[in-house]
Amino acid sequence: GDSVTQMEGPVTLSEEAFLTINCTYTATGYPSLFWYVQYPGEGLQLLLKATKADDKGSNKGFEATYRKETTSFHLEKGSVQVSDSAVYFCAPQGGSEKLVFGKGTKLTVNP
Amino acid sequence: GAVVSQHPSRVICKSGTSVKIECRSLDFQATTMFWYRQFPKKSLMLMATSNEGSKATYEQGVEKDKFLINHASLTLSTLTVTSAHPEDSSFYICSAPRTGQGETQYFGPGTRLLVL
Repeated sequence: GDSVTQMEGPVTLSEEAFLTINCTYTATGYPSLFWYVQYPGEGLQLLLKATKADDKGSNKGFEATYRKETTSFHLEKGSVQVSDSAVYFCAPQGGSEKLVFGKGTKLTVNP
Repeated sequence: GAVVSQHPSRVICKSGTSVKIECRSLDFQATTMFWYRQFPKKSLMLMATSNEGSKATYEQGVEKDKFLINHASLTLSTLTVTSAHPEDSSFYICSAPRTGQGETQYFGPGTRLLVL
């Protein structure tokens, strides 16, 4: 079945630092790829997505590119803020609409 | 935007009792909903797919008789933890995909269950 390997945290950065959270997946066919974010005390929210190879998803300064050749969907942000502190989940989605979640990466950004 | 609610947000119960958790899509209809369980510092584990008008589809290793799912309408799915035990204590989350939103799923805020 589908699976995902996500960089495990926790990750601690200073404000304005560069962020990369690695994500690789295994899946049959061509899944859609998602990054979800869970802020403290809140439910999961969609951060960004890409539905086909070479697509770049972007939102709130975060970006991730669907790399079919390396089966990766790494999350990046050029300059993180304290408000970005959260847990980030990478998740491929197959044809059945089922999401397969990574273990999550907790990010803490210090002022 | 689309909103999915869950009720209750927190519940504490005695071992052996049953607990019902509701998941509602507030401004869209959902023929399918998903139920997840999230352990501390762990990822979300898909438990089952709730299908309106038919039986739920359970993931391997999830006890059907333990976790009863009923998709009563196009906006409501319920998860009942029957004869709860301390090991059932967890964070339960539902999600619903919205047709026309490019496969995006909307998540409920979760229900914290503590079984004493």
